Amino acid sequence: DGGITQSPKYLFRKEGQNVTLSCEQNLNHDAMYWYRQDPGQGLRLIYYSQIVNDFQKGDIAEGYSVSREKKESFPLTVTSAQKNPTAFYLCASKAGQGTQPQHFGDGTRLSIL
Amino acid sequence: GDSVTQMEGPVTLSEEAFLTINCTYTATGYPSLFWYVQYPGEGLQLLLKATKADDKGSNKGFEATYRKETTSFHLEKGSVQVSDSAVYFCALSLNSGYSTLTFGKGTMLLVSP
Repeated sequence: DGGITQSPKYLFRKEGQNVTLSCEQNLNHDAMYWYRQDPGQGLRLIYYSQIVNDFQKGDIAEGYSVSREKKESFPLTVTSAQKNPTAFYLCASKAGQGTQPQHFGDGTRLSIL
Repeated sequence: GDSVTQMEGPVTLSEEAFLTINCTYTATGYPSLFWYVQYPGEGLQLLLKATKADDKGSNKGFEATYRKETTSFHLEKGSVQVSDSAVYFCALSLNSGYSTLTFGKGTMLLVSP
């Protein structure tokens, strides 16, 4: 089945530690996105990528980094500079331009130890 | 900038009741509109979409009509079930390039037997 796989489902970070969240898609979608979800806040865009080796900052990029070396993969690194990383992180992809909807993975829940 | 406003929840209904979740938007361009649903601990699933004025999106008994004159996209269902309990997100995306989604804050629906 085609879809978006996020791993791990749960992740714990120690103070001062970088962690990387994985996102893989086999939908052959060009664009990929990372969102952060906090209770009562809705979803906020962290980074997005329209093509391989290119990405743009979203609304809350500070303390995060990404790479897009392959079309299928868009990992998100939560750095130690992100002072409040506890949240639910969602990865999405989109097939084409214009009116196509985004498709989402099942998310990774990150917590601080 | 673009924005989406949803009615605050939780919305609490009895099974077989009529559901309306209000959604209004502001956009600088001509957007597509979406409703996504999120079940506990999961990612977002596309529920329905509409890409131009007066379009009606429908799926699984849910409907929403794109009203340009009132900048609204209210979600309705004639008879809710316990299994419809979830968080519902209204979102917009401009119809240009790989544009990003702007989400409302979400509305929790709780349906009791």
